[in-house]
Amino acid sequence: DIVMTQSPDSLAVSLGERATISCKTSQSVLSSSNNKNYLSWYQQKPGQPPQLLVYWASTRESGVPDRFRGSGSGTDFTLTISSLQAEDVAVYYCQQYSTTPWTFGQGTKVVVK
Amino acid sequence: QVQLVQSGAEVKKPGASVRVSCKASGHTFTGHYLHWVRQAPGQGLEWMGWINPNSGATNIAQKFQGSVTMTWDTSLRTAYMELNRLKSDDTAVYYCATDYCSGDRCHYFFPSWGQGTLVTVSS
Repeated sequence: DIVMTQSPDSLAVSLGERATISCKTSQSVLSSSNNKNYLSWYQQKPGQPPQLLVYWASTRESGVPDRFRGSGSGTDFTLTISSLQAEDVAVYYCQQYSTTPWTFGQGTKVVVK
Repeated sequence: QVQLVQSGAEVKKPGASVRVSCKASGHTFTGHYLHWVRQAPGQGLEWMGWINPNSGATNIAQKFQGSVTMTWDTSLRTAYMELNRLKSDDTAVYYCATDYCSGDRCHYFFPSWGQGTLVTVSS
């Protein structure tokens, strides 16, 4: 199985400041056939299901604010929130869909400093 | 957009079975697989498997083979996930979710989720 490792486990950021979350995969999720990274990001608020933010490592889902940006390739990925808003307090997960079983990172909790 | 509505919370004793349902609506559901993901209290997300509603074929993660059955009722447009021989560490919220399809290709990230079903296993 592909192991997903996120860092940090928890992150305290002031409102309006940048939040950066890292996700590393135990093997590459870059496809040689289409040059796409099979990596997605989700936001989960308490008591709610996860919400898709980003797929193909950097494509924002429709309706997701442009302050959320995904980047990276191969085994190293980043989710950046450019200017943290109060409504962004949540747990963030990365997920690989390159190789079954599809696996998730352990989550990164973002709180307001 | 696909809408997924799950059945209500369940409390079961160790060794029992539980069946969780997930009703799909929305014309864009055609062609999607229906996945199940669970989340233990305070923990992360764990993919359990999928069912192809068109064929009934399933792909269940190795960890859950032998204990999980996934089925689909075409007339009701409802998926079912049955978990047998429950243990206390099966206590979790169980989500159904659909994958992403574009044209004739589908990819296994999850734009649509059910609201979740809490299954509590306790003696």
